[in-house]
Amino acid sequence: AQSVTQPDIHITVSEGASLELRCNYSYGATPYLFWYVQSPGQGLQLLLKYFSGDTLVQGIKGFEAEFKRSQSSFNLRKPSVHWSDAAEYFCAVGPGGNKLTFGTGTQLKVEL
Amino acid sequence: DVKVTQSSRYLVKRTGEKVFLECVQDMDHENMFWYRQDPGLGLRLIYFSYDVKMKEKGDIPEGYSVSREKKERFSLILESASTNQTSMYLCASSFPDRGRMNEQFFGPGTRLTVL
Repeated sequence: AQSVTQPDIHITVSEGASLELRCNYSYGATPYLFWYVQSPGQGLQLLLKYFSGDTLVQGIKGFEAEFKRSQSSFNLRKPSVHWSDAAEYFCAVGPGGNKLTFGTGTQLKVEL
Repeated sequence: DVKVTQSSRYLVKRTGEKVFLECVQDMDHENMFWYRQDPGLGLRLIYFSYDVKMKEKGDIPEGYSVSREKKERFSLILESASTNQTSMYLCASSFPDRGRMNEQFFGPGTRLTVL
């Protein structure tokens, strides 16, 4: 069975600081991996996705993620956080458009 | 832009009522999904549909049913609402996985409170 672990429930960073959100997955085959962001009161928006190719993936809003098969990880990074990045972030794994499994989310707070 | 709309942003119902949550997408997606989102639990799949009149149970289908009579519309039904169904409900849609990495597009959510 597929599963996703986001070990950090809450993270607080200062505006302008770098950010890394952790995601570890368990999946039998080559996984499709996604990062979504949810702003308060909104639905989820896709930040980036990975299936194959270059293990460093660029997304929207200046985010990137690196797939590390040996560590079963797909961590999300941003070099300089903006106050508008405060939101909840979800990692997901699965076979493409069908039956994604989501992590429990990481709430990001940005201090000005 | 893909648009997934949900009929209500906020809904308050009483225990035992029959509740309908409606979701409409405008991108001709075959797949549609209903999730519930609870703090500390993330998103959990209730039901999904891969075609009109087709449905499959997700991880937590108990107490829910679904209907998909038209391709663009997917309804979630709470036959007899209970307080433990108070939650945020999210609808999503996508193309099927035919060798492409198809993302799910989400609606804004319906926050349901059952009193």
